Amino acid sequence: KQEVTQIPAALSVPEGENLVLNCSFTDSAIYNLQWFRQDPGKGLTSLLLIQSSQREQTSGRLNASLDKSSGRSTLYIAASQPGDSATYLCAVRYGSSNTGKLIFGQGTTLQVKP
Amino acid sequence: DGGITQSPKYLFRKEGQNVTLSCEQNLNHDAMYWYRQDPGQGLRLIYYSQIVNDFQKGDIAEGYSVSREKKESFPLTVTSAQKNPTAFYLCASTEDGSNQPQHFGDGTRLSIL
Repeated sequence: KQEVTQIPAALSVPEGENLVLNCSFTDSAIYNLQWFRQDPGKGLTSLLLIQSSQREQTSGRLNASLDKSSGRSTLYIAASQPGDSATYLCAVRYGSSNTGKLIFGQGTTLQVKP
Repeated sequence: DGGITQSPKYLFRKEGQNVTLSCEQNLNHDAMYWYRQDPGQGLRLIYYSQIVNDFQKGDIAEGYSVSREKKESFPLTVTSAQKNPTAFYLCASTEDGSNQPQHFGDGTRLSIL
């Protein structure tokens, strides 16, 4: 069964700290992996998308890495700010079909304290 | 501004009642999706549509129905057969092509009266 897991479920850090969020997947034959941010009561905002052939993607203070062989992806947030407080979800697409179906992890809820 | 609009933001359903959640996009995307989000769980796919007049069941389609009569619209009906409808419902869309990110609306929260 193809599953995506995110640990920990919640994380609290002081402002300015660098942090890493983890995502693991059971089947390494992924097509791509996407990281999302979700604010309370809101929809998802796409942060980064990594193709299976890529090792990492960067956007501003965010860096996402992908290691298919170990079934892991990490989202690195540099110099965290209170505005980074949100739930972060990773989602994996399998296969080369064009359905766009994503399998989501449960998310990590991040709190950055001033 | 281009985006996805979901309405209403909050919806209440009585026992035995069908309710319809609206999803409209002006991104000119071909593919649209409906997800359900429960507390402590990731999103689960209900239905998806890759083109007008065509749609496919996702992982949890029982008790739900959809239509895709127009490219920009993909309404979801929660029928009385769905015994546990209380959840946060999210609509998404993407350009045709497997490498494109999905864009999401702001969701509809459905509760039982």
